[in-house]
Amino acid sequence: DAKTTQPTSMDCAEGRAANLPCNHSTISGNEYVYWYRQIHSQGPQYIIHGLKNNETNEMASLIITEDRKSSTLILPHATLRDTAVYYCIVSSSQTGANNLFFGTGTRLTVIP
Amino acid sequence: DAGVTQSPTHLIKTRGQQVTLRCSPKSGHDTVSWYQQALGQGPQFIFQYYEEEERQRGNFPDRFSGHQFPNYSSELNVNALLLGDSALYLCASSFRTGGNTIYFGEGSWLTVV
Repeated sequence: DAKTTQPTSMDCAEGRAANLPCNHSTISGNEYVYWYRQIHSQGPQYIIHGLKNNETNEMASLIITEDRKSSTLILPHATLRDTAVYYCIVSSSQTGANNLFFGTGTRLTVIP
Repeated sequence: DAGVTQSPTHLIKTRGQQVTLRCSPKSGHDTVSWYQQALGQGPQFIFQYYEEEERQRGNFPDRFSGHQFPNYSSELNVNALLLGDSALYLCASSFRTGGNTIYFGEGSWLTVV
């Protein structure tokens, strides 16, 4: 069962930062937060993941609250190609337990 | 370096038939998982293979079976196809250790008529 809560949909103006929130209030100490996105009819694309500290890569930044009960994915300069469904997932760090349980995600629409 | 590759990309089967889908993991990855994604829903975990054995299984009937080969590639088999098996089937690969990046293929679209 999905252990995260995300808004169903969000809009963002092109060129602006997109901030996608995720609640994971029941996260345990050994669980990572993963973000994926899926553009229609394609496989999920890995964006970023983290355990405790904030993370940044070439695609996005992940901000995890100190109590780890929520996080925010930040796309710094949204483009039309960022329109997709974004999934926030928590997954165990235990060996062999690295499966992903997807919820319904947030449908992000970038508006010109 | 090729990522996760799946074949075929699209196929149509008749109810009651059997289907085999194939997956080659990203280079170096030893663990393969399969997911089913029905239209309008998020992917659902089917099972995971490591060292040629099924290690974990989601809530799917025994009609769904799999195999992993010594080169880490994998097959998903579905017997006695139902109309409800129509979906996008996704393969994901990773290292066995948790907390690593998990990569997905582009999937195989199965239509059962």
